[in-house]
Amino acid sequence: DTGVSQDPRHKITKRGQNVTFRCDPISEHNRLYWYRQTLGQGPEFLTYFQNEAQLEKSRLLSDRFSAERPKGSFSTLEIQRTEQGDSAMYLCASSPRTVSYEQYFGPGTRLTVT
Amino acid sequence: GQQVMQIPQYQHVQEGEDFTTYCNSSTTLSNIQWYKQRPGGHPVFLIQLVKSGEVKKQKRLTFQFGEAKKNSSLHITATQTTDVGTYFCAANSGGYQKVTFGTGTKLQVIP
Repeated sequence: DTGVSQDPRHKITKRGQNVTFRCDPISEHNRLYWYRQTLGQGPEFLTYFQNEAQLEKSRLLSDRFSAERPKGSFSTLEIQRTEQGDSAMYLCASSPRTVSYEQYFGPGTRLTVT
Repeated sequence: GQQVMQIPQYQHVQEGEDFTTYCNSSTTLSNIQWYKQRPGGHPVFLIQLVKSGEVKKQKRLTFQFGEAKKNSSLHITATQTTDVGTYFCAANSGGYQKVTFGTGTKLQVIP
C-alpha cells in the first residue's frame, strides 16, 4: 500500500491550453474524489466516482472540466481552455469499500495558469 | 446547499495551552470527519463521528458530535508544536456522496 499518488506534482501552463492530471488511488479503494483547493480555503468538492461510475459532479464545475475513471482504478481530470482562475491545488482522495467515509488524500497537483 | 462553518478561523496558543475548534452546519449531518493539514501538505484523516452525541478520543485530541448532529468540536489538550496546522471538518448529509469541507481553523503554537 503506497498511498494515493498524483502526477504531475506541478504544472505551469499558458491560458487557453488543456491540461490533464492523473490520480492513482490506494489499491482496492472503490471510491475516488477530486477536489480543488486554493490558498487559505478548504478543499472544494469537484466530483466523485464509485468504481468506474461518476456518481456526483459539483454544479460549480464548468463544462471545461471532465473526469474519467475508465477501469475503476486510476482517474484523470482534464481542464480544457484553462483560465487564470483555474490556478489551484487539485487534490485526489480515495476511500475504502466500507460504510466509512474516511478519505485518504494524495499530495496534489499544483496548477499555475499564466 | 449545505454549508459548514468553522470557528475560529485562526488561533494562536502558547505551547501547553488547550485549543478548541467548532464546526457548525445549516443541515443535519449523516456523519462528520476531521482532517489535519500541515503547511504545504495534504489533508490527513483523523477521525469520523456518526452517532448523535458521540465522543471519541485520540491521545490529547477529543472529538464530539452534537446531539442534533448539526455541530461538532475538536479539543486538543496541552498543545505541542507538532499540532500546528489547519484543522478541517468535513461532512456528508442525506446519504449523498458529496463531501463539504469546513472553512478550517489554522492553529499556531508558540513554543
